[in-house]
Amino acid sequence: DAKTTQPNSMESNEEEPVHLPCNHSTISGTDYIHWYRQLPSQGPEYVIHGLTSNVNNRMASLAIAEDRKSSTLILHRATLRDAAVYYCIKNRDDKIIFGKGTRLHILP
Amino acid sequence: GAVVSQHPSWVICKSGTSVKIECRSLDFQATTMFWYRQFPKQSLMLMATSNEGSKATYEQGVEKDKFLINHASLTLSTLTVTSAHPEDSSFYICSARAGIPGSSNYGYTFGSGTRLTVV
Repeated sequence: DAKTTQPNSMESNEEEPVHLPCNHSTISGTDYIHWYRQLPSQGPEYVIHGLTSNVNNRMASLAIAEDRKSSTLILHRATLRDAAVYYCIKNRDDKIIFGKGTRLHILP
Repeated sequence: GAVVSQHPSWVICKSGTSVKIECRSLDFQATTMFWYRQFPKQSLMLMATSNEGSKATYEQGVEKDKFLINHASLTLSTLTVTSAHPEDSSFYICSARAGIPGSSNYGYTFGSGTRLTVV
């Protein structure tokens, strides 16, 4: 079971932080948590991934719960270009199965 | 970073003809690539896993004789939609895995997609 649970859509104001939640209660000890995003008519773009510790990169931060059953993708300062569908995926170095993701709307 | 090039970006073909889509890993070797299709307003659906030098592994419900996958080298996988029909019109996306889990360059890189329209 590669499923995760995310809200269907979220809204945020431009230049404000955005917290995108994801539940992955069936995660196993060796599953990584990946986040990808997809802009219209494009292939998905890698955002961030992690295993147990919180992770930061130039795009975002990933906060992983201590029990690893949930995580939050944090965009520190949303811009209009961050409007996309965000996918949270748990993966064990094999095929990636996409859920429905969260459609993020950014309000100017 | 790892780059996957997909070609063509769009194609229109007549019903009954075949269409080939190419997926290349440009700066890394990919022993495994993945093919997805995506209908409007829907998520990506995994079609098959393409393995270099061996047969592809198809997901349940995907016709292997209709969607032919060839992965003859470590940098190229192709998807051929045979005898295409209007219901095959979709957005096809390939992906390849790069790096080692836990490394800074680990991740799945996706092509930019191919919009197939069958008329």
